[in-house]
Amino acid sequence: DGGITQSPKYLFRKEGQNVTLSCEQNLNHDAMYWYRQDPGQGLRLIYYSQIVNDFQKGDIAEGYSVSREKKESFPLTVTSAQKNPTAFYLCASREHGKQETQYFGPGTRLLVL
Amino acid sequence: GDSVTQMEGPVTLSEEAFLTINCTYTATGYPSLFWYVQYPGEGLQLLLKATKADDKGSNKGFEATYRKETTSFHLEKGSVQVSDSAVYFCALSDPGGADGLTFGKGTHLIIQP
Repeated sequence: DGGITQSPKYLFRKEGQNVTLSCEQNLNHDAMYWYRQDPGQGLRLIYYSQIVNDFQKGDIAEGYSVSREKKESFPLTVTSAQKNPTAFYLCASREHGKQETQYFGPGTRLLVL
Repeated sequence: GDSVTQMEGPVTLSEEAFLTINCTYTATGYPSLFWYVQYPGEGLQLLLKATKADDKGSNKGFEATYRKETTSFHLEKGSVQVSDSAVYFCALSDPGGADGLTFGKGTHLIIQP
C-alpha cells in the first residue's frame, strides 16, 4: 500500500530536550511538508521541501529544524528553543502535476512532561 | 497574504438534514481550492477539490463550486449521516502549489441521530 507514515503516534518531551518526529512516504512524491495543528487554529506550515537536499521555512519555523537527505523521508526536530511545542504535527506530500493535491499522514501528538 | 475564512463551529444537525459550510478566501491569482476532512485523532483526508473558476468538486455526496466572483467555495451535502461527524477544513493552494496550503480554522460538524 502506498502512503505516508508518521511515528511515533504519541511523543513526550522533557524540558530542554530535542525530539525528532519521523515522516516517510512511498508515493514517489517530490515535495513534502510539515504542519502544526492547535485546537481552533487550523493548520500552520512549519517547513517544506520540494526536492532532496533543499527545504524552506514556512510561517512558524522558529524552534524547529528539518533535513531531506532522501526523497522518502522528511524528519522534523522540535528543539528546546520551541517554548510551546504541545500540538498535533502533520506531515504531507504532494503529487506531481497541476492539481497541487497534498496527502497527509496520520499525525504525531507531542506532549510536554 | 493569502487567507481562508470558514464558518465557526460547532455545527449541529440532525441526520438527513441539509448541510452548508461556508468558506471564503483571499488570494492573488487563481488558487486551487480544497476541502479536507479530519476524524478524531487522525490526519486529514482530501474530500474534494476544484482547480479553476466554476469547477464543481464532488465526493461521497458532498459538493462545492469554485465561485471566483464571490471568492467562495461552500461545502454542501443534501442529507447528512451520523458518520459525517468530523472537522472540515477549507484550504487553498497558490498556482503551482509549491509553497504549502493555506487553511481555514476548521468547522466541527456534529450529526445527531
